Amino acid sequence: ELKVEQNPLFLSMQEGKNYTIYCNYSTTSDRLYWYRQDPGKSLESLFVLLSNGAVKQEGRLMASLDTKARLSTLHITAAVHDLSATYFCAVDPSQGGSEKLVFGKGTKLTVNP
Amino acid sequence: DAGVIQSPRHEVTEMGQEVTLRCKPISGHNSLFWYRQTMMRGLELLIYFNNNVPIDDSGMPEDRFSAKMPNASFSTLKIQPSEPRDSAVYFCASSPLYNSPLHFGNGTRLTVT
Repeated sequence: ELKVEQNPLFLSMQEGKNYTIYCNYSTTSDRLYWYRQDPGKSLESLFVLLSNGAVKQEGRLMASLDTKARLSTLHITAAVHDLSATYFCAVDPSQGGSEKLVFGKGTKLTVNP
Repeated sequence: DAGVIQSPRHEVTEMGQEVTLRCKPISGHNSLFWYRQTMMRGLELLIYFNNNVPIDDSGMPEDRFSAKMPNASFSTLKIQPSEPRDSAVYFCASSPLYNSPLHFGNGTRLTVT
């Protein structure tokens, strides 16, 4: 059974600082997704990573995937308050493609002025 | 594009009552997913459909839960009878293609007293 672990689960940081959220998964997969959820809201897709070494960037967020290490990172550069949200990674465990994503528990990020 | 539409947004009911949650996916999306989100268990996939056909319902917790997709533009998740432990936010999501991110609805917050 695929397990997806994120750390940290809670992250409080100051504006302007950099930090990285980690997503480890337990079985082979080359499809990983990052989502953002604001309190009381829906989930919004941030990044789709579909191969080993994939790197995607949008604004102050950059995501990467290392399928050999079974690890994805979400790097935050010069954080701003608007980035405060919960970030989820999700992994497709099927080599054949089942669309059955398994989500991590989420990392709740709070950016303080 | 109106996005994935769920109704109702909030539902409060008494234990033992029947609850029906509704979802309209984005037009043209072939896959539809029902997720449940709680603080304790995070996001759990309950069931997903591909071209209106249920593909995997292994996440449906008990026989009290059932889901249907009578056509490409409508799906329901029914709980009968409901119990307090069913209290959660239920999300519907759709996607157009394999390897595409999920598009989530705004969710239905269910409270069973």
